[in-house]
Amino acid sequence: ILNVEQSPQSLHVQEGDSTNFTCSFPSSNFYALHWYRWETAKSPEALFVMTLNGDEKKKGRISATLNTKEGYSYLYIKGSQPEDSATYLCAPKGFNKFYFGSGTKLNVKP
Amino acid sequence: EAGVVQSPRYKIIEKKQPVAFWCNPISGHNTLYWYLQNLGQGPELLIRYENEEAVDDSQLPKDRFSAERLKGVDSTLKIQPAELGDSAVYLCASSLDIRLNTGELFFGEGSRLTVL
Repeated sequence: ILNVEQSPQSLHVQEGDSTNFTCSFPSSNFYALHWYRWETAKSPEALFVMTLNGDEKKKGRISATLNTKEGYSYLYIKGSQPEDSATYLCAPKGFNKFYFGSGTKLNVKP
Repeated sequence: EAGVVQSPRYKIIEKKQPVAFWCNPISGHNTLYWYLQNLGQGPELLIRYENEEAVDDSQLPKDRFSAERLKGVDSTLKIQPAELGDSAVYLCASSLDIRLNTGELFFGEGSRLTVL
């Protein structure tokens, strides 16, 4: 079982602030790292899927990096907007299994 | 394209009553997952199907939980009898093939169960 830790657990920022979250996981038995965004009353949706050490992905104001050797991934949001408010889940993938962290709950105040 | 459909969205029952959740995955997705999400925690796998075969049910409490995926398409998760601690969100997800590392999970909106 992979022990996945996400920090912080929750975050309150003002509109326009930039923020970042961390996902830590054991570096052994690693196949891929997924990030999901889960808005209240909606279904979780994939943000990024990364597999290679040093991978960097970007989608609009949101980007993510991956370090498989030390076992962490960062998610950055530049200029947070109220619509970014959601829980962000990371899920490292081992052999045929995903291991979800408990998520970082982001609240962006207008 | 239709996403993963789950029903019911909300269910309130008294303890010891049975409950069932239904999931229709995205067409063509071989792998179907049922996850349990407790408040403040990440989703935990209950069972994974490859087509109609349950290939990982190690975390499914088999004394009260059961699941089926007849014909390898939609799936039902049942709890009988329900206990207070079963109150949670039950998420269904599907993917093309678990063996594809880049294959993302597609989730339904979840079924929120409250046991009184």
